Amino acid sequence: NAGVTQTPKFQVLKTGQSMTLQCAQDMNHEYMSWYRQDPGMGLRLIHYSVGAGITDQGEVPNGYNVSRSTTEDFPLRLLSAAPSQTSVYFCASSKQGGGYGYTFGSGTRLTVV
Amino acid sequence: SQQGEEDPQALSIQEGENATMNCSYKTSINNLQWYRQNSGRGLVHLILIRSNEREKHSGRLRVTLDTSKKSSSLLITASRAADTASYFCANEGNSGYSTLTFGKGTMLLVSP
Repeated sequence: NAGVTQTPKFQVLKTGQSMTLQCAQDMNHEYMSWYRQDPGMGLRLIHYSVGAGITDQGEVPNGYNVSRSTTEDFPLRLLSAAPSQTSVYFCASSKQGGGYGYTFGSGTRLTVV
Repeated sequence: SQQGEEDPQALSIQEGENATMNCSYKTSINNLQWYRQNSGRGLVHLILIRSNEREKHSGRLRVTLDTSKKSSSLLITASRAADTASYFCANEGNSGYSTLTFGKGTMLLVSP
């Protein structure tokens, strides 16, 4: 049982490049979310999904796209990377209905130069 | 921003001592959750307390919730060096599907 798997673990991008951060979970969780973690800022929500085909924006969605074609996968796309997107990105999943703890992936450390 | 705040930002104690971290939040909640993050790792869920609960225990962890003050506290008893980590509170709102809003965390250092 792998839980939440994020790939890659590290990535360096040049300004203007695009890439996709992968997230997969094998717990049949309906809820999935993407957060970014910056020093002194805690975790901030980028996008989230309550099920396949349903996504919505969080607190800091600009510059990011998501889609959810299956229950298992929730990729995060950076359209045109900017230095301000240098951060650690975490994917998390939870059972439907609220009131459950979230399971987090181990994170992707992204540097945009 | 709807982020809450943890207090203190950093805490340094000796093994065997108790560690208390406080959390304040801004909106009405369904529940309040605490997470631990070891350096360079993902977050691990520790404990969840619902809005109609005032106190909850799990092993060496004790969480309290005061909804009138919009605050919570996490007590770790008999701390160990392995408890060294950052601790975050996160509140889950009560309007339909609600995501987690995290505080900025408390960095705990437990020295042998």
